[in-house]
Amino acid sequence: DTGVSQDPRHKITKRGQNVTFRCDPISEHNRLYWYRQTLGQGPEFLTYFQNEAQLEKSRLLSDRFSAERPKGSFSTLEIQRTEQGDSAMYLCASSLSGYEQFFGPGTRLTVL
Amino acid sequence: EDQVTQSPEALRLQEGESSSLNCSYTVSGLRGLFWYRQDPGKGPEFLFTLYSAGEEKEKERLKATLTKKESFLHITAPKPEDSATYLCAVPIQGAQKLVFGQGTRLTINP
Repeated sequence: DTGVSQDPRHKITKRGQNVTFRCDPISEHNRLYWYRQTLGQGPEFLTYFQNEAQLEKSRLLSDRFSAERPKGSFSTLEIQRTEQGDSAMYLCASSLSGYEQFFGPGTRLTVL
Repeated sequence: EDQVTQSPEALRLQEGESSSLNCSYTVSGLRGLFWYRQDPGKGPEFLFTLYSAGEEKEKERLKATLTKKESFLHITAPKPEDSATYLCAVPIQGAQKLVFGQGTRLTINP
């Protein structure tokens, strides 16, 4: 499968714990995006990388959130000191210097 | 403010009953409009890109059209496997992020 992959698919954690998600984009894609989606809503933009540079971050991305894309390949999204309001589907997408973004299957986070 | 609104929020049809979903947008300088399909618990699946008013794209029972203010996703003779949430999104000018509507949850009853 040459699509976008995400790991883990599901994560259950206790409030206050740290979690990290991984995204592997389509191999030749240089742009990588993170979105968050809550039930009944469309995805909301969190952050965007072009190669290894993080070029934009949403106001939604509090200082408890950090994202990296070392060497312009895979990306990680870390949430520190999780809160119940962080429960959502975290989606990763990639694109090749264009507008069509292709999404991965998502990581479902549940904070107890 | 750049905004995307989809209607209706939910739609139930009988198998074979054609209908249309609406996506209206207010963005400065439209640089494309995207349609995605999303099944429960999965990521959005890319369907179409429309770049200019008057453009149409087709895929099986789906046809997407674009005007200067809105887009329609027409579903002809739908089947139960077309049941899903359909999302539209626009890229924000000068940035690369997509702004999504809230989606239309489509259910096709056999």
